[in-house]
Amino acid sequence: AQSVTQLGSHVSVSEGALVLLRCNYSSSVPPYLFWYVQYPNQGLQLLLKYTTGATLVKGINGFEAEFKKSETSFHLTKPSAHMSDAAEYFCAVSPSGYQKVTFGTGTKLQVIP
Amino acid sequence: GAGVSQSPSNKVTEKGKDVELRCDPISGHTALYWYRQSLGQGLEFLIYFQGNSAPDKSGLPSDRFSAERTGGSVSTLTIQRTQQEDSAVYLCASWTKNTGELFFGEGSRLTVL
Repeated sequence: AQSVTQLGSHVSVSEGALVLLRCNYSSSVPPYLFWYVQYPNQGLQLLLKYTTGATLVKGINGFEAEFKKSETSFHLTKPSAHMSDAAEYFCAVSPSGYQKVTFGTGTKLQVIP
Repeated sequence: GAGVSQSPSNKVTEKGKDVELRCDPISGHTALYWYRQSLGQGLEFLIYFQGNSAPDKSGLPSDRFSAERTGGSVSTLTIQRTQQEDSAVYLCASWTKNTGELFFGEGSRLTVL
């Protein structure tokens, strides 16, 4: 079985401040981990993914995430928030690419000018 | 087409009626997923297909829900005797081993009156 927990359904940051969105997972096998973003009135798109290899992964728009096996975490960060980052962010886990992908409940990011 | 196509984009129906939602995945994508997105509930997994078979249909909420995929391509999600709690956005995604990511459609918004 696998599951994802996203801490904080809503997060607010000031423009230029650090963005930190938390994700913890459970998986009985080495996981594939993903962050997807949904901008207002748009579909979901992939931000970044971890499959194997380097535990720090970089994605689009300056976002990155680090896979920490000991903490079962895959937190998403960005050094400096931009107004255009306001969106809903979803963390997801899969035992492999060809199997069930389980999503968290999402975190809405608000960026305050 | 270039992306995942879902139809209808919006469907309003009366309680007790049956509805069919269609997903046309990206050509060549072998896996296809259905999710349900309700306000505050994140993405709820329904079912996924590898080719025409469904290894995991554990997320279907009740026996009123069914899905099929034919020719390794188009999929249909059918909801019989709709209830008001079925109101949600139903999302389809297809997956390819080449990129290891899910490509989402724009969704079908179902409203049950």
